[in-house]
Amino acid sequence: AQSVSQHNHHVILSEAASLELGCNYSYGGTVNLFWYVQYPGQHLQLLLKYFSGDPLVKGIKGFEAEFIKSKFSFNLRKPSVQWSDTAEYFCAVNRVNRDDKIIFGKGTRLHILP
Amino acid sequence: NAGVTQTPKFQVLKTGQSMTLQCAQDMNHEYMSWYRQDPGMGLRLIHYSVGAGITDQGEVPNGYNVSRSTTEDFPLRLLSAAPSQTSVYFCASSYSRASGTDTQYFGPGTRLTVL
Repeated sequence: AQSVSQHNHHVILSEAASLELGCNYSYGGTVNLFWYVQYPGQHLQLLLKYFSGDPLVKGIKGFEAEFIKSKFSFNLRKPSVQWSDTAEYFCAVNRVNRDDKIIFGKGTRLHILP
Repeated sequence: NAGVTQTPKFQVLKTGQSMTLQCAQDMNHEYMSWYRQDPGMGLRLIHYSVGAGITDQGEVPNGYNVSRSTTEDFPLRLLSAAPSQTSVYFCASSYSRASGTDTQYFGPGTRLTVL
């Protein structure tokens, strides 16, 4: 069963538009949550992560994500996107106290029009 | 530090051939893992290791073997390549054995084509 769902497979926005990418997971226990980004031709790199505490997490390059436990969600947001945000974005989950696996979603390909 | 390195960058195999994808890290990381990335499928975990001498299966382990004789190296072996193994393979590592609390660092990937 898919543990991590990213609803938007391909998103196209204009510069300065606001962004929200959805991520839901299907595990009832405690989780650690991540967003990774893969810019064209580059390695995957961490955008932000949530382990505990404030459910609103701020990451690099103006990105943030909010953990809503009741909705099993960890959506990624950015108020104003730039052309350089064109990339593929992956949500990932670790099921705490279950195993050491990091399970990724299928990814969302974001294309920003200049 | 070189970070996470992978060799080769590109490889073409014929069905039935065997090969080893190399992964090394020089950050003294305990946790290492292998993923494959396919269009529309995201990254799927093949195998992982929480330390030297310890490996475990991920989501899609069939057709792949791993070993972890040293902290630095985590090779991935394809014993008899199949076209379904055509993919981009990424190796990743993180400092903590409790990988779920730690940032993973990814290598540049190996693009494998099986004819």
